[in-house]
Amino acid sequence: DGGITQSPKYLFRKEGQNVTLSCEQNLNHDAMYWYRQDPGQGLRLIYYSQIVNDFQKGDIAEGYSVSREKKESFPLTVTSAQKNPTAFYLCASSTGTGRNEQFFGPGTRLTVL
Amino acid sequence: AQSVTQLGSHVSVSEGALVLLRCNYSSSVPPYLFWYVQYPNQGLQLLLKYTSAATLVKGINGFEAEFKKSETSFHLTKPSAHMSDAAEYFCAVSDRKGYSTLTFGKGTMLLVSP
Repeated sequence: DGGITQSPKYLFRKEGQNVTLSCEQNLNHDAMYWYRQDPGQGLRLIYYSQIVNDFQKGDIAEGYSVSREKKESFPLTVTSAQKNPTAFYLCASSTGTGRNEQFFGPGTRLTVL
Repeated sequence: AQSVTQLGSHVSVSEGALVLLRCNYSSSVPPYLFWYVQYPNQGLQLLLKYTSAATLVKGINGFEAEFKKSETSFHLTKPSAHMSDAAEYFCAVSDRKGYSTLTFGKGTMLLVSP
């Protein structure tokens, strides 16, 4: 089955620790995206990548970092610089062109204690 | 920059009633438009999309949306609500340039009562 996997589903971390969220896709999509979702805020774009070894900041990149070493993988690191990291994080992928929809993973809920 | 407005953070309907979820976009050039649905603690699933073919777009689960350029709107409708339609719905827009990101509205929670 083609799709996007995110792991883990739930993640707990202590304040001040960096944490890395995994995102893998087997859809052969060029573009991948990370969003943050908070209640009543919709989805806000953190980072996106249109091609391997290249990525761009989205609207709320501060306190986050990414890498894109393989087409299939786009991990997100939530650093200790992120002031309010508790949220639901969604990864998506697409062919990259604006007319084509993004496909979403099941999400990771991060709670910082 | 693109923006999307979804009117009403919560919409309540009775089972069997018409569902109408509103979406307006701001763009001088008609964008590509999408509706997604999200069930609790899950990812988003595409309901339908408008990419400049027919202005009335049919999607999954009996939903449809009509693109109205004069009103800069792309409202989502379903003639008869089902309990399983209870979820959060997001409208999103994308520019018509080659590579583009999606801009999402804040979402509308649909509540369906028996």
